[in-house]
Amino acid sequence: KAGVTQTPRYLIKTRGQQVTLSCSPISGHRSVSWYQQTPGQGLQFLFEYFSETQRNKGNFPGRFSGRQFSNSRSEMNVSTLELGDSALYLCASSLWGPTGRSDGYTFGSGTRLTVV
Amino acid sequence: GENVEQHPSTLSVQEGDSAVIKCTYSDSASNYFPWYKQELGKRPQLIIDIRSNVGEKKDQRIAVTLNKTAKHFSLHITETQPEDSAVYFCAASLSGSARQLTFGSGTQLTVLP
Repeated sequence: KAGVTQTPRYLIKTRGQQVTLSCSPISGHRSVSWYQQTPGQGLQFLFEYFSETQRNKGNFPGRFSGRQFSNSRSEMNVSTLELGDSALYLCASSLWGPTGRSDGYTFGSGTRLTVV
Repeated sequence: GENVEQHPSTLSVQEGDSAVIKCTYSDSASNYFPWYKQELGKRPQLIIDIRSNVGEKKDQRIAVTLNKTAKHFSLHITETQPEDSAVYFCAASLSGSARQLTFGSGTQLTVLP
């Protein structure tokens, strides 16, 4: 089966611009989570969406937002980009069963965002 | 919030030796502990996980142990091979599943041939 697909793979933006990243989860997975990975801060949770609803949000400023569509595809948006937003943004999807447990994350390959 | 500390940050072992990576967590309510392997330039991949109702779990050469009292958990890799070289991340969650994970800072494991 197809894995988690993130587009684009690489992106260069200028400070002050905004950017939209896309994530298509594994077919049948309704949960999509986003993480930011940087050398200094490691992997940090941004937000989680399930059935088009944001279930959890990490400790990031309001410039970071996201949404999920009815087909479970998700987008995240970062407005007013800052140099510190340069990072690898990873999307992960998971399948939640009737027991209320998921079978673990499958990560996408990420979008490498560079802010100049 | 939850805080996860991971040690060591780098680890070099000879091929065939064992490797142990340790993590401690701060929130005693955490109940799900996965380990991810990330090879250079690739995505993190789940290699093993454990829930708080279990003390140990094994999968071939990989095992994870959990000590709830001390709030720490460890990854054990036996008979290491060069393809085990990667960055390993531990994580913790309060939800019992892969959800809103708090990650450790990672361990760069190098297996020397």
